[in-house]
Amino acid sequence: GNSVTQMEGPVTLSEEAFLTINCTYTATGYPSLFWYVQYPGEGLQLLLKATKADDKGSNKGFEATYRKETTSFHLEKGSVQVSDSAVYFCALISGGGADGLTFGKGTHLIIQP
Amino acid sequence: DSGVTQTPKHLITATGQRVTLRCSPRSGDLSVYWYQQSLDQGLQFLIQYYNGEERAKGNILERFSAQQFPDLHSELNLSSLELGDSALYFCASSAILVSTDTQYFGPGTRLTVL
Repeated sequence: GNSVTQMEGPVTLSEEAFLTINCTYTATGYPSLFWYVQYPGEGLQLLLKATKADDKGSNKGFEATYRKETTSFHLEKGSVQVSDSAVYFCALISGGGADGLTFGKGTHLIIQP
Repeated sequence: DSGVTQTPKHLITATGQRVTLRCSPRSGDLSVYWYQQSLDQGLQFLIQYYNGEERAKGNILERFSAQQFPDLHSELNLSSLELGDSALYFCASSAILVSTDTQYFGPGTRLTVL
């Protein structure tokens, strides 16, 4: 079956530091890959996605590249802000759309001023 | 605001009881998904409906059931509740039935079973 592995944290960084959150996956077929973010007390928001190998998703300064050869989708940001503090989930979906997302356990990111 | 609405926001009930959670998808979306988020299990996919029909099942217990109505809103029914059913329940919707489509999440219903 499908699975997603990501570092759980908490990950604590200073403002303006470089961020990497690792995500690797196991999936049947050719999955679509997603990063979702969850702020305290809220639902999940899509941060970015990539739907085929070598695609790069980007949004709000965050980037992730779909690497089929290493089955990875690492999230990066060059300079984090306090407002980026949240829980980040890597997820995938396969099966032609008749399926749900498989999530990693989430990475709690804390940015200190 | 994702455009997905869920009611109620909070629900407190006792073991053995039955509850119904409601979800209205974004305008025009045909697919509805239900997820459970708990501390020990993380985020788990429960079930998917597309245009009124069940299309996929995940880790949904037999005590749980769902349906999608002609106006496309969906309800998740949880019965014979146990302490371990306490969790956040999210609904998500997407426009069409392809894996590349984005799922938009509602704010969730927090269920507490005492």
